[in-house]
Amino acid sequence: GAVVSQHPSWVICKSGTSVKIECRSLDFQATTMFWYRQFPKQSLMLMATSNEGSKATYEQGVEKDKFLINHASLTLSTLTVTSAHPEDSSFYICSARTGLGNQPQHFGDGTRLSIL
Amino acid sequence: GQNIDQPTEMTATEGAIVQINCTYQTSGFNGLFWYQQHAGEAPTFLSYNVLDGLEEKGRFSSFLSRSKGYSYLLLKELQMKDSASYLCAVRDQASGGSYIPTFGRGTSLIVHP
Repeated sequence: GAVVSQHPSWVICKSGTSVKIECRSLDFQATTMFWYRQFPKQSLMLMATSNEGSKATYEQGVEKDKFLINHASLTLSTLTVTSAHPEDSSFYICSARTGLGNQPQHFGDGTRLSIL
Repeated sequence: GQNIDQPTEMTATEGAIVQINCTYQTSGFNGLFWYQQHAGEAPTFLSYNVLDGLEEKGRFSSFLSRSKGYSYLLLKELQMKDSASYLCAVRDQASGGSYIPTFGRGTSLIVHP
């Protein structure tokens, strides 16, 4: 149980392109979803937290107009990297959690984004 | 927010026991998680501690001391496949009542024959 599917797993595109990443909880309802980015040999950096039906809460330094997050249902959240540039190249990982209690996060497999 | 500290890298021998420490400073502690992350993959959940003491789960155990702001992950009977990064994540109560976990930089464990 507690499977999170993230798609696509790998994206290579030209600078200036917008890229959408989907995160789905397959067998549970995700009250909260988290989006992280991770550079090589670095820790997971939280970008934003989203609760179903409400606006995402962005961490300091993360541009909300650059990284658009939509959490339209209890099983789907999307992250759109708008007008991507080479410095946006990174490993993006979503995670989902149900409830506010001691439930762990369940992570998707991640999306490796490479902007040329 | 939190200040989480873990060793950057550790090495151990197959079949041995290794202890990975994590220290933290937080204002509203509400649980500590350990995750395993293999290179190029997403983290997988290993353990959760919110009360002091030892939680044992097969070859892996996790310990917590809230008064000391300290946890460790103990891996027994090491196998080559245990070579991975181990992430300590501390959750505290952010404003608004939500619970946001913050991850440490991870400890890269290398298991050699």
